[in-house]
Amino acid sequence: DVKVTQSSRYLVKRTGEKVFLECVQDMDHENMFWYRQDPGLGLRLIYFSYDVKMKEKGDIPEGYSVSREKKERFSLILESASTNQTSMYLCASSGSKQGGGELFFGEGSRLTVL
Amino acid sequence: QQQVKQSPQSLIVQKGGISIINCAYENTAFDYFPWYQQFPGKGPALLIAIRPDVSEKKEGRFTISFNKSAKQFSLHIMDSQPGDSATYFCAARGGGATNKLIFGTGTLLAVQP
Repeated sequence: DVKVTQSSRYLVKRTGEKVFLECVQDMDHENMFWYRQDPGLGLRLIYFSYDVKMKEKGDIPEGYSVSREKKERFSLILESASTNQTSMYLCASSGSKQGGGELFFGEGSRLTVL
Repeated sequence: QQQVKQSPQSLIVQKGGISIINCAYENTAFDYFPWYQQFPGKGPALLIAIRPDVSEKKEGRFTISFNKSAKQFSLHIMDSQPGDSATYFCAARGGGATNKLIFGTGTLLAVQP
């Protein structure tokens, strides 16, 4: 079974704190993604990575950064959390050789910033 | 031009009825159109997908209808069941090796027994 694991399901942080969201995939996929899910706004792409140490900005990268030191791990970093970053964060991966564009998602990390 | 517009935002259907969710796009370079299904507390999962050279694709009770000239596609769920209650997202891929998808805003479907 393919698996994308997000280490923290629920987090509560204070404004200004640094937040790390970790994601690990076991499918040897080249591509990894971080999305943010908000009611009425759907899934919005924050950052993606198509190779180790490579990253590209998505549609809403402001206030976020990412790190991909190993192929299986993709981290999302909030340098200074703000209340408008309260959201559900979804990690996904895909293999470029698969064709078809299937993304495999983790179960999400719900972040609350107080 | 990169948006995918999805409607309705929510939908209530009686058991056994047909659920229909619509999406529209502008970018003619999109080359792949999947639908994802998300149950509460879970991440989205691929349900069914279509390429623009096909007008319809059916998998069990789920059918995608694709109208290339109108730049619209829709998901039809026949004989809707309470277990189909979930959030549905349409999406479109812009091409290239990274499989970057643009998602619609989602439709919350409730199938009443």
